[in-house]
Amino acid sequence: EAGVAQSPRYKIIEKRQSVAFWCNPISGHATLYWYQQILGQGPKLLIQFQNNGVVDDSQLPKDRFSAERLKGVDSTLKIQPAKLEDSAVYLCASTGGLVRRETQYFGPGTRLLVL
Amino acid sequence: AQSVSQHNHHVILSEAASLELGCNYSYGGTVNLFWYVQYPGQHLQLLLKYFSGDPLVKGIKGFEAEFIKSKFSFNLRKPSVQWSDTAEYFCAAFNAGNMLTFGGGTRLMVKP
Repeated sequence: EAGVAQSPRYKIIEKRQSVAFWCNPISGHATLYWYQQILGQGPKLLIQFQNNGVVDDSQLPKDRFSAERLKGVDSTLKIQPAKLEDSAVYLCASTGGLVRRETQYFGPGTRLLVL
Repeated sequence: AQSVSQHNHHVILSEAASLELGCNYSYGGTVNLFWYVQYPGQHLQLLLKYFSGDPLVKGIKGFEAEFIKSKFSFNLRKPSVQWSDTAEYFCAAFNAGNMLTFGGGTRLMVKP
């Protein structure tokens, strides 16, 4: 079974630029999560989708971050404009069912550096 | 708001030493607990989880964790570490809002 795929793996941009990350969850997984992991900290949830609907985006900085999962499969997370403090690893995770408390399977992450 | 705290940020052990990594959570309701591991250059992987039942949970690669409700703890243990256990370890818990909250992580280095 293929795991969660993410691209790109690394991205370097200058502040005020835009950037987008892509995630393809495990095939058939209904629920998809985006996390931000700042160096030295644990992952922090940004947004959770169930199929193509948003379940929780309470911790997403909506003034600059946006995410979509239009067809209920892959997802894109965008930052516009980026700030220095957005430098982090952005992780995507997925779970198979609609049960709220399931084991999450993580992708390799996208490491973002904002200069 | 719920928090998960890991006491040790960095741990250095020699091979064959015993390991115990501390994890405490603040949420008092029904809690589901996890330990994830991230080996160098790899993605987060599940080590073990506790949802209910026996509070002593066994995971992969010889790891185990004990849920002690009265202490709000879920410490990770391994009787004898190997060099290949060098990694970062994260404790995590679901809170009342079904949001997975992670601790800050513990970096383990095992010297051969």
